[in-house]
Amino acid sequence: DQQVKQNSPSLSVQEGRISILNCDYTNSMFDYFLWYKKYPAEGPTFLISISSIKDKNEDGRFTVFLNKSAKHLSLHIVPSQPGDSAVYFCAASGGGGTASKLTFGTGTRLQVTL
Amino acid sequence: DTAVSQTPKYLVTQMGNDKSIKCEQNLGHDTMYWYKQDSKKFLKIMFSYNNKELIINETVPNRFSPKSPDKAHLNLHINSLELGDSAVYFCASSPRDSKVYGYTFGSGTRLTVV
Repeated sequence: DQQVKQNSPSLSVQEGRISILNCDYTNSMFDYFLWYKKYPAEGPTFLISISSIKDKNEDGRFTVFLNKSAKHLSLHIVPSQPGDSAVYFCAASGGGGTASKLTFGTGTRLQVTL
Repeated sequence: DTAVSQTPKYLVTQMGNDKSIKCEQNLGHDTMYWYKQDSKKFLKIMFSYNNKELIINETVPNRFSPKSPDKAHLNLHINSLELGDSAVYFCASSPRDSKVYGYTFGSGTRLTVV
C-alpha cells in the first residue's frame, strides 16, 4: 500500500522557468511533509519541509504548497537552474506510526534544459 | 568532512554469503536509520535506533541484524544473502526535531548479490 505517491516519473523544464513537482498522499494522519533532492551515486539531501497545519513554506527558490483537503502537495522551483536536475522525493512523517519514520514516494526525475 | 559515511560504497557478493555495511555519523544526532532502495526506487525504512536503542523494526527478514555500539554508529549485518537483497542501502541520521530539518543521508551502499 503506497501511502505517498509521485505519479510523474520525470519532468523536463527550461532553465529560468518554473518547475512544479507533485505529490499525493493517502494517510490523513501524516503531520509533516518533506522534500529531498538526490543526485546519482549520492544520498538524498533535505530541501524543505512543511507542517500539516500550514499551507505554504518558502525557502529561497523553493516553495512547498500543501492542500490538505486534496491530500496533495507540490514543490515549486523558481527560477529553475541546470544544477536542479536531480531526482526529487516527497516524504511524509507521522501517519500513526513512529514519529521519526519517513514514508517516501518513488521520486520524480527533473531535467532542467538550457 | 563527511557527515554520514557508510562503507563500502559497492559490494558484490555471492548468494549465501554474510556481509556487513558500516555507518558512522559525526553530527551528534541521536537517531540513526537504515533505508533500502529497491529496483523500483522505493525508499523503505528498515530499522531505526535512538541512542543505541532499537525503536523501529519494520518487516525485515531475520537475516538482517542491525547493531549500534554507540549513538554515532549503526552497522547492518546480513546473513545468507539472497538475490532479492540486491539494492542500495542508505544510512541516515536525524536530530530530535527531524520533522522540520529532515534526515542526513549517507551516499549509499550498492549491494549486488550474484
